[in-house]
Amino acid sequence: AQSVSQHNHHVILSEAASLELGCNYSYGGTVNLFWYVQYPGQHLQLLLKYFSGDPLVKGIKGFEAEFIKSKFSFNLRKPSVQWSDTAEYFCAVTPKILTGGGNKLTFGTGTQLKVEL
Amino acid sequence: GAVVSQHPSWVICKSGTSVKIECRSLDFQATTMFWYRQFPKQSLMLMATSNEGSKATYEQGVEKDKFLINHASLTLSTLTVTSAHPEDSSFYICSARAETSGGRFPGELFFGEGSRLTVL
Repeated sequence: AQSVSQHNHHVILSEAASLELGCNYSYGGTVNLFWYVQYPGQHLQLLLKYFSGDPLVKGIKGFEAEFIKSKFSFNLRKPSVQWSDTAEYFCAVTPKILTGGGNKLTFGTGTQLKVEL
Repeated sequence: GAVVSQHPSWVICKSGTSVKIECRSLDFQATTMFWYRQFPKQSLMLMATSNEGSKATYEQGVEKDKFLINHASLTLSTLTVTSAHPEDSSFYICSARAETSGGRFPGELFFGEGSRLTVL
């Protein structure tokens, strides 16, 4: 079974600071990788996803993530955060070969990001 | 993106009662829906996968007789917590996978806003 580890549980940054949130996964096969964001009081939304191809993936709102296969990592980055980026961020993984389970996502524990003015 | 609606968004009930939570895909058909449970400061844990018209597939450790899942149509899945107890208090989130062929968002996953259950 797959597992996902997010090392930073709480991150506090000032506006304009750069952001990097760590995500490592464990799985014996190939995977699809996702970052979701949950703004206060809202539902989970997809930030970006990696299925194949260029390991540097660009998502919405200026976020990007890089898949490093040798490190089993999929870290999320943003060069300059804004106050509106305050949210909880979840990394998720699903096996690339799906055996009738649909998009059976396994989530990390999440990282709470707070951006201060 | 598409919209997935959960109802109720929060519910408080007495121990021993049953609570039903609905998950609806409002503008797309969902062949598969997933139910997650989230404990405070923890990850979303998949409880079960439901496919329209068939029995749900439960994850290991999830009591199927306690968490009844029905996926009667392509736009509605329900989770019923039977004989709820305080330890069932949690945040329950559904996600719906749009049908893979046709539609606006083939194969995409969308999440509901979650339902907070408090059992007294």
